Amino acid sequence: AQRVTQPEKLLSVFKGAPVELKCNYSYSGSPELFWYVQYSRQRLQLLLRHISRESIKGFTADLNKGETSFHLKKPFAQEEDSAMYYCAPPGNQFYFGTGTSLTVIP
Amino acid sequence: DSGVTQTPKHLITATGQRVTLRCSPRSGDLSVYWYQQSLDQGLQFLIQYYNGEERAKGNILERFSAQQFPDLHSELNLSSLELGDSALYFCASSVGLAGAPYEQYFGPGTRLTVT
Repeated sequence: AQRVTQPEKLLSVFKGAPVELKCNYSYSGSPELFWYVQYSRQRLQLLLRHISRESIKGFTADLNKGETSFHLKKPFAQEEDSAMYYCAPPGNQFYFGTGTSLTVIP
Repeated sequence: DSGVTQTPKHLITATGQRVTLRCSPRSGDLSVYWYQQSLDQGLQFLIQYYNGEERAKGNILERFSAQQFPDLHSELNLSSLELGDSALYFCASSVGLAGAPYEQYFGPGTRLTVT
């Protein structure tokens, strides 16, 4: 089964500082990974997916097969980035990471 | 708006009672997933249905059950409720099934409070 680990439960950064949210995966085969975001106990929504290689709201995520990681990065954090972030395997697998709560300090 | 709807939005009930949560997936989505989100346990997968059939089970208690109807809406039934069942219950839907990297679309959730 595809599993992901998010080692940081809480993360605080100052506005304008770089931010990196970690996600590690552990399974064989070609991983297909997603990042979801949840603002203030609202519904989860897709932030970005590995396969599309796009940048959403300034966030990017690179799949590193050597380190089995899919870290989410943004060079300059904004206050509106404060949210809960979940790393997730694709829709046929259901075990989201435990989530990282990001707080951007003004 | 993800296109996934859930009712009710809030539910307050007493211990020992039974409740039913309802979910309507996005048009065209055949898979429905149920999750429980609590402060201490994060997002826990409960169960998945695909086109009316149960396809995967997660950490779902025996007191909980679900079904997906021919029109693809789904219901999650929670019985003999305990205080610890208080949580946000999310439904999600996706187009496909195992083997494909389909994203999930989440509903707004039902907040259940057991008193």
